[in-house]
Amino acid sequence: GDSVTQMEGPVTLSEEAFLTINCTYTATGYPSLFWYVQYPGEGLQLLLKATKADDKGSNKGFEATYRKETTSFHLEKGSVQVSDSAVYFCALQRSGGYNKLIFGAGTRLAVHP
Amino acid sequence: KAGVTQTPRYLIKTRGQQVTLSCSPISGHRSVSWYQQTPGQGLQFLFEYFSETQRNKGNFPGRFSGRQFSNSRSEMNVSTLELGDSALYLCASSWRVGEQEETQYFGPGTRLLVL
Repeated sequence: GDSVTQMEGPVTLSEEAFLTINCTYTATGYPSLFWYVQYPGEGLQLLLKATKADDKGSNKGFEATYRKETTSFHLEKGSVQVSDSAVYFCALQRSGGYNKLIFGAGTRLAVHP
Repeated sequence: KAGVTQTPRYLIKTRGQQVTLSCSPISGHRSVSWYQQTPGQGLQFLFEYFSETQRNKGNFPGRFSGRQFSNSRSEMNVSTLELGDSALYLCASSWRVGEQEETQYFGPGTRLLVL
């Protein structure tokens, strides 16, 4: 079945460091790929998405490129801030008559001043 | 435009009781999905409703049920609560259904603690 695998956390970085969170997926067809972020005590917020191969999603300095050849959707940011500390979830969604997101396990990011 | 709202935000119940959680989608959205989030199992899909019809259900026991009203608001019910039902229950809404690129927008969740 469909699945999403994320790098295990926590990821601990200093402010202004470069961030990469790896995400790979297994799915039939051509799913859409998403990154959601969850701040402490809150629900999920959509960070970015990509709907087809080679698409790049971007938002708030974060980027991810849909790589079908490597079935990956790695999240990157050039310079992290303390306010980026949160849990990041990679997810996929296929078509087929219903809305259902399949999530990775989440990666906790801690950014220190 | 107001986001997805969920009530209550926090809930404490005891084993064997039942609970009903409510979700109001973004205005104009007709699809509502529910997810359970636990430290052990992560985020898991419960079910999805569109136009008052359950379209898909995840791998949860029959104690978990839901419904959707004509105004697209949705409720989920858990009967005969077990300790393992303690979780954050998230509701998400979207405009369309069945489109892979359709974005789901999440509410803040209801945190349920079963004692």
